[in-house]
Amino acid sequence: RKEVEQDPGPFNVPEGATVAFNCTYSNSASQSFFWYRQDCRKEPKLLMSVYSSGNEDGRFTAQLNRASQYISLLIRDSKLSDSATYLCVVNRDFNKFYFGSGTKLNVKP
Amino acid sequence: NAGVTQTPKFQVLKTGQSMTLQCAQDMNHEYMSWYRQDPGMGLRLIHYSVGAGITDQGEVPNGYNVSRSTTEDFPLRLLSAAPSQTSVYFCASSRLRGQADQPQHFGDGTRLSIL
Repeated sequence: RKEVEQDPGPFNVPEGATVAFNCTYSNSASQSFFWYRQDCRKEPKLLMSVYSSGNEDGRFTAQLNRASQYISLLIRDSKLSDSATYLCVVNRDFNKFYFGSGTKLNVKP
Repeated sequence: NAGVTQTPKFQVLKTGQSMTLQCAQDMNHEYMSWYRQDPGMGLRLIHYSVGAGITDQGEVPNGYNVSRSTTEDFPLRLLSAAPSQTSVYFCASSRLRGQADQPQHFGDGTRLSIL
């Protein structure tokens, strides 16, 4: 079983839409959680960390449910520039990061 | 503001050749790591290091060697290239203290093709 699983998408949404991505992780000992964004043929870049109490950064909201081993990312008022692949990342044993295969988002005009 | 620098950006090898992918960071990060990314798959950890002189294996270490003689540099060596090693390779670094909350900073990647 994969450490981190994501719906690959693609999610095709119009500008202004709200879209949510989900991610599940298999190891309950996982310690920290992140969402990264990756543009086509580019390196991953940190979008936001995910905290137990949930956290928000502008149009982006991340939630963590440790009991269900589930992480989510909500994007409100989607922009064309949000089109990218979103990677769910889990850290375990302090030194090992596990990446989901990513969810592709296409925001259409 | 260099961050994490990887060289080369592109490389084509023949099966059986060896080569070294270079990675350097100027942020004084203790933790450095190498990943490979294949189509439809997430990044998979090859090797990592928590400081100079200390390295350890990740998920997919076979066919690769690493060393960490300085804090700044973390080269990845392919011993005898195989077509299955065709991939995009990313180097990343992060702070170690309180490391569970420290995100990783990535280089631009090296696109490697093995013929």
